[in-house]
Parts: sequence; C-alpha cells; structure tokens
Amino acid sequence: AQSVTQLDSQVPVFEEAPVELRCNYSSSVSVYLFWYVQYPNQGLQLLLKYLSGSTLVKGINGFEAEFNKSQTSFHLRKPSVHISDTAEYFCAVNLKSSGDKLTFGTGTRLAVRP
Amino acid sequence: AAGVIQSPRHLIKEKRETATLKCYPIPRHDTVYWYQQGPGQDPQFLISFYEKMQSDKGSIPDRFSAQQFSDYHSELNMSSLELGDSALYFCASSLVEGADYEQYFGPGTRLTVT
Repeated sequence: AQSVTQLDSQVPVFEEAPVELRCNYSSSVSVYLFWYVQYPNQGLQLLLKYLSGSTLVKGINGFEAEFNKSQTSFHLRKPSVHISDTAEYFCAVNLKSSGDKLTFGTGTRLAVRP
Repeated sequence: AAGVIQSPRHLIKEKRETATLKCYPIPRHDTVYWYQQGPGQDPQFLISFYEKMQSDKGSIPDRFSAQQFSDYHSELNMSSLELGDSALYFCASSLVEGADYEQYFGPGTRLTVT
C-alpha cells in the first residue's frame, strides 16, 4: 500500500522568508509525485510534479521540489514567500502500476505573516 | 483554457434524501475521477472512469453510484444521505493518452446534509 506523510500540519512563516514543506511517501513500487495548492473555498491547483528525469522540479509561483529516492521524500520549497501564498498544500502520489488515482497527504497549512 | 465544470457548486440536503452531482471534464479528456474531502481532511479517492467504463474504485459507499456518459460528463448519485456525507466533492479529469498523469480539478461541490 502507498501512503503519504506530511509531517507539519501548520507552518507559520514571515513574508519574504524561505519555506520548506515536507512530504514523505512509502511505496514498494515506483511512484509519480505531485504537489497541489488549495486556496480557501477553491479547488486544487497543481504546483508541480515529478514523473522521471531531473530530481529538481520547478513549478508555478516560484515553488520547487526535490525528489529524493533514498529518503523517499519530495519536499516543497520556496526561497521567499508572499502573503498570497497562504493556503493549504497537499502532497500526492500516484502508483505507476495501479491506475491513476491520487493518494493525498493530510495537508500543510502555510500561514504567511506580514 | 476550458476547465473542469462542476454543478451545482453548493447543495443542501436533508438526511435520507438523494443528491446528484455533475462533472463536465475538460474537452478531449477521457478520464474522470471523483474525490471526497471532509472538513479539515485530505481528498479521498472515490471512483474513476476511463472511456465511459469504471476504471478504479476507492472508498465509495454502496449508497453512492456514478457513471460516465457518452459525452464524457459524469454524475455521482448519492442516496440515503447521512450527516457524515457533508463534504466537498471534487471531480478531476485527465487525458490518459497524454501520459503526463496530471489531473485537473474542478472547483468542487460543497454538499451539506442537515
């Protein structure tokens, strides 16, 4: 079975500071990895994804993530956050060999303070 | 660009009533997914359809059924509603042939059961 762990339920940070949102997954087979953002009362928007190739993936809004196979991690980073980045962030995995459904982590609430 | 359309956006029902949620995927997308997101929870996969056939099934109650029609839109039918069914229901679509494994999410339908 696959599972996704987001270690931090909430991350408070000041504007213009760097941030890292952690994600670890467990799977006995290869996976595809995604980060989605959910603004209040809105749907899920894809930030970035890792399918194969370079382990450093750049996404929208200045976010990037690094796939680390040995540590089974896919942490999300941004060097300088804005107030508008305040949202819920979900890490998700898709087993390559078992359909296309996404399994989500429990989410991390990023709260950016002025 | 066209996005996933869900209707209605908000729905209020009483216990034991039925509800029908509709999803219109992005044009040319061949796969539809349904997810349920309870209050403060991560989205949970319910069911998916590829080319109008059920392709995968998750934690969908027996009281729920779904189908994908010839025009690729999908409907989630929910009967004997319970208070615990109150949630945000997302539909997502993807193009399997595109092999980018990206699911595009709609804005969701917020179902409140009273």
